Amino acid sequence: SQELEQSPQSLIVQEGKNLTINCTSSKTLYGLYWYKQKYGEGLIFLMMLQKGGEEKSHEKITAKLDEKKQQSSLHITASQPSHAGIYLCGAARNAGGTSYGKLTFGQGTILTVHP
Amino acid sequence: NAGVTQTPKFRILKIGQSMTLQCTQDMNHNYMYWYRQDPGMGLKLIYYSVGAGITDKGEVPNGYNVSRSTTEDFPLRLELAAPSQTSVYFCASSQPGGGYTFGSGTRLTVV
Repeated sequence: SQELEQSPQSLIVQEGKNLTINCTSSKTLYGLYWYKQKYGEGLIFLMMLQKGGEEKSHEKITAKLDEKKQQSSLHITASQPSHAGIYLCGAARNAGGTSYGKLTFGQGTILTVHP
Repeated sequence: NAGVTQTPKFRILKIGQSMTLQCTQDMNHNYMYWYRQDPGMGLKLIYYSVGAGITDKGEVPNGYNVSRSTTEDFPLRLELAAPSQTSVYFCASSQPGGGYTFGSGTRLTVV
């Protein structure tokens, strides 16, 4: 099984609907990163969460970190076709400098938004 | 701002051939990484570097080699290509505590 499990694996929504993607870790989290990928392109950094209970928002995307549950959620409000793509979570496995920035990634969630 | 530049974007190799995937960043980042992405498997770390002259293995280093002679460049070498190395390869860079900047990827097929 994966160290980081994302759910759902794929999601199809109608434009305007809200949606949530979850990322659950089997190990202690020392930082959780969310990225978005469009087909044929690299990954775009969305947000980084480091502290339990932390919540960050950018435009219509909100990410939360539940450190006790070793879980993060990514919520999109009023989805648009521009939100379509693959969303990946990445986790740091060690505190601070000892990880050298290395991340373990989830398998990704494919989001399709129908106009 | 160029960010992280990878070349080539696409390549088809025959089994047993060798090639080098190039990666250059212009942000003066200390940390650089090579990941491979296979369908439904997320990204797996191949090699990483914390600075010029320093490299170390990631999760899946077999069949690959790297070097880091300058801060800017981090090439990935495949010596004897195998079908199992068919994948999309991403180079990334970061500073301590920061998020990654990814290149646009190299799609490699080994036939």
